Amino acid sequence: EVHLVESGGNLVQPGGSLRLSCAASGFTFSRFDMNWVRQAPGKGLEWVSYMSSSGTTYYADSVKGRFTISRDNAKSSLSLQMDRLTAEDTAVYFCARRIEEPGGGYFLDSWGQGTLVTVSS
Amino acid sequence: DIQMTQSPSFVSASVGDSVTITCRASQGVLAWLGWYQQKAGEAPKLLISRASTLESGVPSRFAGGGSGTHFTLTITSLQPEDSGAYFCQQANVFPLTFGQGTRLHIK
Repeated sequence: EVHLVESGGNLVQPGGSLRLSCAASGFTFSRFDMNWVRQAPGKGLEWVSYMSSSGTTYYADSVKGRFTISRDNAKSSLSLQMDRLTAEDTAVYFCARRIEEPGGGYFLDSWGQGTLVTVSS
Repeated sequence: DIQMTQSPSFVSASVGDSVTITCRASQGVLAWLGWYQQKAGEAPKLLISRASTLESGVPSRFAGGGSGTHFTLTITSLQPEDSGAYFCQQANVFPLTFGQGTRLHIK
């Protein structure tokens, strides 16, 4: 069974940094593209970042230059380094796996339960 | 960026009823459209990919349709457990974008 567990969420002051982690199990992590998606309290879903199995990365404009996605295939782990945080970054952050679909389609077929990041003074 | 617009934002229906949620993309996304269900306090769950392909384990009362810029999610014979929020997502290009969501209330 696919299992994704996020950790690292916390209360942080504006301008601060935080590193989120996602531990994956139940599948061959190195074969799958991964994503971070966030959801501000009471709001909708916002895609944040993507990393392919081969290391290609993409970021939402709202986080570009401040957030860095990375992965450790040996540890089946995905990370998100978040710097220069603002109140607008307050959200639950989900780790999500891209569906295994050769030829396209960035659908997210497995999600963790999320970790809450609160940016406030 | 491709903007995804869902309607309605909220719908209330009774057990056994049918509802249809619409999702429009600001640019064509072919059939690269997914639907997600999110129950309160839970992570989203992928229901439908490729506009109309039901994911494993999803009841057949869920059906997706459309292509290009206009998509629908229809839920027939509503059940109490269908309550929650539904989001469409274009899966064609980055940045990936979601609709603002439709909240379904079961009376």
